[in-house]
Amino acid sequence: AQSVSQHNHHVILSEAASLELGCNYSYGGTVNLFWYVQYPGQHLQLLLKYFSGDPLVKGIKGFEAEFIKSKFSFNLRKPSVQWSDTAEYFCAVNGAMSGGGADGLTFGKGTHLIIQP
Amino acid sequence: DAGVTQSPTHLIKTRGQHVTLRCSPISGHKSVSWYQQVLGQGPQFIFQYYEKEERGRGNFPDRFSARQFPNYSSELNVNALLLGDSALYLCASSPRGTGVGNQPQHFGDGTRLSIL
Repeated sequence: AQSVSQHNHHVILSEAASLELGCNYSYGGTVNLFWYVQYPGQHLQLLLKYFSGDPLVKGIKGFEAEFIKSKFSFNLRKPSVQWSDTAEYFCAVNGAMSGGGADGLTFGKGTHLIIQP
Repeated sequence: DAGVTQSPTHLIKTRGQHVTLRCSPISGHKSVSWYQQVLGQGPQFIFQYYEKEERGRGNFPDRFSARQFPNYSSELNVNALLLGDSALYLCASSPRGTGVGNQPQHFGDGTRLSIL
């Protein structure tokens, strides 16, 4: 079955620690890849996206992600996290695998990140 | 500029009833998508509409339907509500529709639907 898998459901880090959240998808065709973030009490916001070109993409707030096609992965990274990064993080893909229209996204279950001061 | 707006914010219904949720996209956006987010899970795609036509559908029963109006706003309707329909319903808009898949979607705050 086509899906998006996020390896860690809960992650707790201290401020200034480095972050890497894993995301794998199961689809062999062309995909567009996204990371969304949901801060407490707020709506989903786009962190970064990959459509084509350089597989290392940079997003807002110091986040970056690397698309590794051979591993079907799109891991999110940040060198030094801050308390304000506490949020829910969702990896998403779209393409024929979404089961719907071209713009329908398939999301992972999310990773709840807690940054301790 | 206003973002995606959804109404109502919260709604409580009983089993068997029907519900209508509303969404206004960002000005200039012509595509609206609906998602269901159950607690502890990621959003699941329900529908996409573009230029008033259904362009995509996820794996949801026929009790779920939607439509898009000439002003690009949209309604999601759910009939014969079940306890399992309790969820956050998200609306997302993007500038264009089917065939231009590489567009980020902009999400609203959602409607929290509780079924008793």
